[in-house]
Amino acid sequence: AQKVTQAQTEISVVEKEDVTLDCVYETRDTTYYLFWYKQPPSGELVFLIRRNSFDEQNEISGRYSWNFQKSTSSFNFTITASQVVDSAVYFCALRSMRGTSYGKLTFGQGTILTVHP
Amino acid sequence: GAGVSQSPRYKVAKRGQDVALRCDPISGHVSLFWYQQALGQGPEFLTYFQNEAQLDKSGLPSDRFFAERPEGSVSTLKIQRTQQEDSAVYLCASSLTLAGGQGDTQYFGPGTRLTVL
Repeated sequence: AQKVTQAQTEISVVEKEDVTLDCVYETRDTTYYLFWYKQPPSGELVFLIRRNSFDEQNEISGRYSWNFQKSTSSFNFTITASQVVDSAVYFCALRSMRGTSYGKLTFGQGTILTVHP
Repeated sequence: GAGVSQSPRYKVAKRGQDVALRCDPISGHVSLFWYQQALGQGPEFLTYFQNEAQLDKSGLPSDRFFAERPEGSVSTLKIQRTQQEDSAVYLCASSLTLAGGQGDTQYFGPGTRLTVL
């Protein structure tokens, strides 16, 4: 069975602070994909990043960066110099590439991020 | 191009009524997924299609839930004899392929918020 844990239910920061959202996953698969999605108040899940299990390079995209560590089964997400527009619920998700779970995403519970001006 | 669209955006049903939720995937996307998101939770997988074939319906909570995609494009999720526990946001997602690689990223629609009274 696959599982994704986002231990931080809510995080509150002041604008321009850096913030890291944690994600820990469990899977028996050797090949899998990890994702981060953002869900603003409008409700639509917005894709942020996709990472496969063979690529442990960290990635930076503007103010966003991701730290994938296979040894600790973690895929953490950092927002540098946070802005009010970053306020949303953020979900980490795991996709298996085999067996009965093929294709479907397993999501964490989400982390509510509030950035205050 | 256009994203995934869903209709209606909001649906209120009396307990026992049947409802039908529609999803229009991104044009050309082969795979289509349905997820259920309860309040304050992450989305949970319901079912998915590859073209018109329903390959996995293991997440459907009961036989009152039925999904179809007869022409491999638009999909409908039907819930018969709705119950209060069916109240949730129903999210549809599509991906270009299922086979791995960049094409398997799932893009989500805005969801349908179903409230059963």
